[in-house]
Formats: sequence, C-alpha cells, structure tokens
Amino acid sequence: GQSLEQPSEVTAVEGAIVQINCTYQTSGFYGLSWYQQHDGGAPTFLSYNGLDGLEETGRFSSFLSRSDSYGYLLLQELQMKDSASYFCAVPNRDDKIIFGKGTRLHILP
Amino acid sequence: KAGVTQTPRYLIKTRGQQVTLSCSPISGHRSVSWYQQTPGQGLQFLFEYFSETQRNKGNFPGRFSGRQFSNSRSEMNVSTLELGDSALYLCASSIQGIVDTQYFGPGTRLTVL
Repeated sequence: GQSLEQPSEVTAVEGAIVQINCTYQTSGFYGLSWYQQHDGGAPTFLSYNGLDGLEETGRFSSFLSRSDSYGYLLLQELQMKDSASYFCAVPNRDDKIIFGKGTRLHILP
Repeated sequence: KAGVTQTPRYLIKTRGQQVTLSCSPISGHRSVSWYQQTPGQGLQFLFEYFSETQRNKGNFPGRFSGRQFSNSRSEMNVSTLELGDSALYLCASSIQGIVDTQYFGPGTRLTVL
C-alpha cells in the first residue's frame, strides 16, 4: 500500500531544536512537502524537497533521502507560535496526493 | 493577491440531505483540489480540477462530486449525507496541480446530524 508515517506527537522546549520525521511508501515519487496547521486554521506550505539533501528557509529546514524513503522537518529556535500540527505530503504516480496523519508539536516554556 | 476563499464556513445538515460547498482560488491558479480532514483519517484527497476538467480523483464514493467553472471557481457536492461525512472540507489552489505547492482555504466545517 501507499502510506506516510510520522510521529503523532512531539514535545520540545522553547528555544530548542526539534526534528519531525516522515517515512513514505508510494508508487512513484515526485517530492516531499511539509505543511503547518494551527488549531482552527488551514494548512500552510512550509517546504518542499524534490531532490536529496537539505532545504533551508529561515528557522525551518527540510531534508530528503530518496534512497531511504525518508525525510524530516527541522525547526530551530522554537517559539510558542510554532505549536501546531505538521504534515508531510507526497504526490504519487497515480495522480493522487497523500498526507501523513500529522505530528502535533507541543512547545513548553 | 487575495487568498483562497471558501463558503460557507460552517454548515449543519441532516442525514440524507445534500450539500454544495464553494471555493474561489487565488487569481491565476487553474488547479483546485478538494480534501476531507477528520481526526481519525487525517487529510484525504478527494479530487482535483484543472481548467474545468477533473484530472485526479481520490478513493471516495460517487456521492462526492465536483465541478469547476471557467473562472476556476469550484464547487463540491455531497449527496445523501451520512454521519461519517462530518468533517472539515478544505480546498486548495495551485498553478500546476497536485505536484505543486497547495494554497489552502480556511475550510468548511460540515456537521451531519
């Protein structure tokens, strides 16, 4: 089957660094995207990896290893406003897009 | 540019009824995708329209349908509502489609009683 696996919850301290992992199994692969969703809000795009390696956007970075079917989102200098759910997403060969179930990030002061 | 808008924001229906949700994409975006979000199943892809044609479809029953107009606005229809259809329905627009960055609207919260 096709699936994306990510932890359901992660807890970190304000100012620290946290990594959210995503492993995928899909038919065909066009890249891995990450979205953030605050409670009551809409998902917003954070980052995309089409090739292996690290992509950096401010405090957020995303990494992809196609050979390991694995990626992660790295959040640095955590702020309370980063408390949200984070989803990885992959479009596949069947012209569908699959989302992970989401990782709820809790930030402690 | 104005973002993606969805109407209505909240909706309460009873089993057996039908419902139509509307989505206006970002100006210049020709692709509109629809998603269902529930606590149990997460975000699930319903279908995608591009230039008035359905290009992709997720694994949902035929009760879920949609269409897109020449101005790229899209509607989603759910017929014969079931309790399990209670969810947040999100639409997203993009330039090229599902391989492209999705810009989500605020969603329509549908409650089926």
